[in-house]
Amino acid sequence: QKEVEQNSGPLSVPEGAIASLNCTYSDRGSQSFFWYRQYSGKSPELIMFIYSNGDKEDGRFTAQLNKASQYVSLLIRDSQPSDSATYLCALDLSYSGGGADGLTFGKGTHLIIQP
Amino acid sequence: EAQVTQNPRYLITVTGKKLTVTCSQNMNHEYMSWYRQDPGLGLRQIYYSMNVEVTDKGDVPEGYKVSRKEKRNFPLILESPSPNQTSLYFCASSDGTSGGDTQYFGPGTRLTVL
Repeated sequence: QKEVEQNSGPLSVPEGAIASLNCTYSDRGSQSFFWYRQYSGKSPELIMFIYSNGDKEDGRFTAQLNKASQYVSLLIRDSQPSDSATYLCALDLSYSGGGADGLTFGKGTHLIIQP
Repeated sequence: EAQVTQNPRYLITVTGKKLTVTCSQNMNHEYMSWYRQDPGLGLRQIYYSMNVEVTDKGDVPEGYKVSRKEKRNFPLILESPSPNQTSLYFCASSDGTSGGDTQYFGPGTRLTVL
């Protein structure tokens, strides 16, 4: 079983601060990692993906990947109330053994940005 | 507009009454999949399809069927729905040759089985 672990939260962060979301995974063969944002009752939407160790920045978002320690994180700078949502970490199954294909998701972290 | 559409968006039905949830994408994607989302359990993959006439089971396929006769459509069939299939269902498609590429999600179908 390919597992993705996230703290369910809620994680409460004041407006303007940096929100830090973390995700650990069990399958060392995983190659691709994704962060999705999901508003209540809505579909997940992609924020970022990362394949290589290190940091990847896109606007206010930075994804960090450490394959040796098997964690991936998402930093949100200058947090806004509109960032309040559930953030889903996902990894790619297609490069792992067992013939599975697709993404396996963590259960998500509920983020609340306090005005 | 590039999108994944699902119908119906909301459905209340009774145990044992066959139903189909349709999914269609206009992006010419080869890969499509179905997920269900339940509180405390997250998103779980039901079935996926890597191309026309090619489908395979995901993590929770019991009680579901799918077909892929055309590239753009990937319907989810519940032959005999039961209350434990009450859930929020998402269809997704991917612009790569596998599900490991970015997946685009439909708006979701909220199903209640009484």
